[in-house]
Amino acid sequence: GENVEQHPSTLSVQEGDSAVIKCTYSDSASNYFPWYKQELGKGPQLIIDIRSNVGEKKDQRIAVTLNKTAKHFSLHITETQPEDSAVYFCAASSGSNYQLIWGAGTKLIIKP
Amino acid sequence: DSGVTQTPKHLITATGQRVTLRCSPRSGDLSVYWYQQSLDQGLQFLIQYYNGEERAKGNILERFSAQQFPDLHSELNLSSLELGDSALYFCASRPLAGEQFFGPGTRLTVL
Repeated sequence: GENVEQHPSTLSVQEGDSAVIKCTYSDSASNYFPWYKQELGKGPQLIIDIRSNVGEKKDQRIAVTLNKTAKHFSLHITETQPEDSAVYFCAASSGSNYQLIWGAGTKLIIKP
Repeated sequence: DSGVTQTPKHLITATGQRVTLRCSPRSGDLSVYWYQQSLDQGLQFLIQYYNGEERAKGNILERFSAQQFPDLHSELNLSSLELGDSALYFCASRPLAGEQFFGPGTRLTVL
């Protein structure tokens, strides 16, 4: 079945620097790739998503890139701020059911 | 606020007991998903309902069951509880095509 691997499991960066989290997926039919942010004690919240007909998408300091050939996608956060500290999950889905296969999560720590 | 509500927020119970977790999706969302998140772990998909019918099943134990009612709210029933069932349980709802919106979760502690 579909599998999504996410790296690193923990990422510590200096405030103001960039952070990159990478995911690979196994099912070449996957066509939807969301990224969720989970703050402590809260449910995950979508921060950005990309579909397979697009290679890159940006929203202010956040961007996602997709390489369909290599079957991997990445989350890029620039000019990191303390409020970016959270756990980030990638996911992939295929088909009309929007069944998401989740990565294991990355704990992002922003050092002041 | 995602618009998805879950009750109760916290639940403490003993091994062997049975509990029911409740989820109200966003207005108009027909799909409801249930997830389990153990301490410092990822999201484990349990089950999905669409307009009252089971649509997909994940790693849901036989001791667990769920249903979605005509008013679209959903309940997750956990029985014969074990210590290892202690976790955060999230429900999410989704419109016809789009993102999943997560509720705030129910924290279950089994003593």
